[in-house]
Amino acid sequence: EVQLVQSGEEVKKPGESLKMSCKGSGYSFTSYWIGWVRQMPGKGLEWMGIIYPGDSDTRYSPSFQGQVTMSVDKSINTAYLQWSSLKASDTAMYYCARALKYYSGMDVWGQGTTVTVSS
Amino acid sequence: IQLTQSPSSLSASVGDRVTITCRASQGISSYLAWYQQKPGKAPKLLIYAASTLQSGVPSRFSGSGSGTDFTLTITSLQPEDFATYYCQQLNSFPLTFGGGTKVEIK
Repeated sequence: EVQLVQSGEEVKKPGESLKMSCKGSGYSFTSYWIGWVRQMPGKGLEWMGIIYPGDSDTRYSPSFQGQVTMSVDKSINTAYLQWSSLKASDTAMYYCARALKYYSGMDVWGQGTTVTVSS
Repeated sequence: IQLTQSPSSLSASVGDRVTITCRASQGISSYLAWYQQKPGKAPKLLIYAASTLQSGVPSRFSGSGSGTDFTLTITSLQPEDFATYYCQQLNSFPLTFGGGTKVEIK
């Protein structure tokens, strides 16, 4: 079964760091892009960026460039999204999803990771 | 590239034909996808390349358009179709989403 499994819910304080994961299985992990999407409470979907595990080619949305870092570990079929210093405004659900080509749509999604940032 | 969806919400009955539009601020050829999201769930890909139905998606869903104007049509609305629908342009980075259309039960 093709699936993406994301790490669990996080509760953090402002200024703390965070690294969440997205583990792929059932397919060739290095042949599909992994995109990240933010959904703030009660709001729509926001595209954060995308990374190609084959060569770590990464494209960020200008809205998230410099705010987050995307990375992969091909040896364990896992993509990561990380923050060095969280803000309350980072409170949201974060989804990872795969795409064969960046222009082919995201056909398999993770279950999402909820992040709450509060003092 | 900005994507404007309309309407932002609509009320419809089971069996209705529903049309949602997505307008891009500049031409994106056919690089458009549509997703369905139900409360508390991850989005689901319905259509890509503007009109190609994703495997496993019921044929009552269809997409059309190219350039700047696109539509998602549900020919006979079913109870499980009440959800929020998003378009996404795949023409150029950043791959932006539309604001969403919530389809509610009348």
